[in-house]
Amino acid sequence: GQQLNQSPQSMFIQEGEDVSMNCTSSSIFNTWLWYKQDPGEGPVLLIALYKAGELTSNGRLTAQFGITRKDSFLNISASIPSDVGIYFCAGKRTSGSRLTFGEGTQLTVNP
Amino acid sequence: NAGVMQNPRHLVRRRGQEARLRCSPMKGHSHVYWYRQLPEEGLKFMVYLQKENIIDESGMPKERFSAEFPKEGPSILRIQQVVRGDSAAYFCASSPVVPSGSPDTQYFGPGTRLTVL
Repeated sequence: GQQLNQSPQSMFIQEGEDVSMNCTSSSIFNTWLWYKQDPGEGPVLLIALYKAGELTSNGRLTAQFGITRKDSFLNISASIPSDVGIYFCAGKRTSGSRLTFGEGTQLTVNP
Repeated sequence: NAGVMQNPRHLVRRRGQEARLRCSPMKGHSHVYWYRQLPEEGLKFMVYLQKENIIDESGMPKERFSAEFPKEGPSILRIQQVVRGDSAAYFCASSPVVPSGSPDTQYFGPGTRLTVL
């Protein structure tokens, strides 16, 4: 089946640093979503991207939908301790279809 | 507006028993998706349902697993004769009805953590 390659698998950074993670796919998606998951909880939607080339911000988070439709990245600026968690990218081909998830990026922020 | 609700949050079953997981979508959402997450992995799609219809069950194991979304009441994911390998977190997501070709997204519930002893 389709797979999303998400990197890096884990990151250890100091508070205040910027973070970047990305996802690539061998096939095209028409929607890219970024979620954050805290331990014992469900994924929470951070940013949704619907158009190739789209750049969208949500506070300190910025995400882009790659022009080829096969990749996306997420940047977090000026990280804070509550940014700790697992970040997942997810791709979607059409309305009403399944999400294909990356394997996640575990982010640790040292105060 | 309440989010996606799932219950129970934790479920313990012995091998061979049945597990029933319930999901109530967000108000106004009529599409429900079930995903399974093994420890330290991403979520894997299982099944996509609309009211009284299974739209895509290609991610569902062929045996012991079934899902429904009746006209009234929550969506149910049912696992019969559970085995240890069924231990995982099961997440439900919902999305609204949108015109064909329009973008939509999925909102997740808190999950049910199933442990099979």
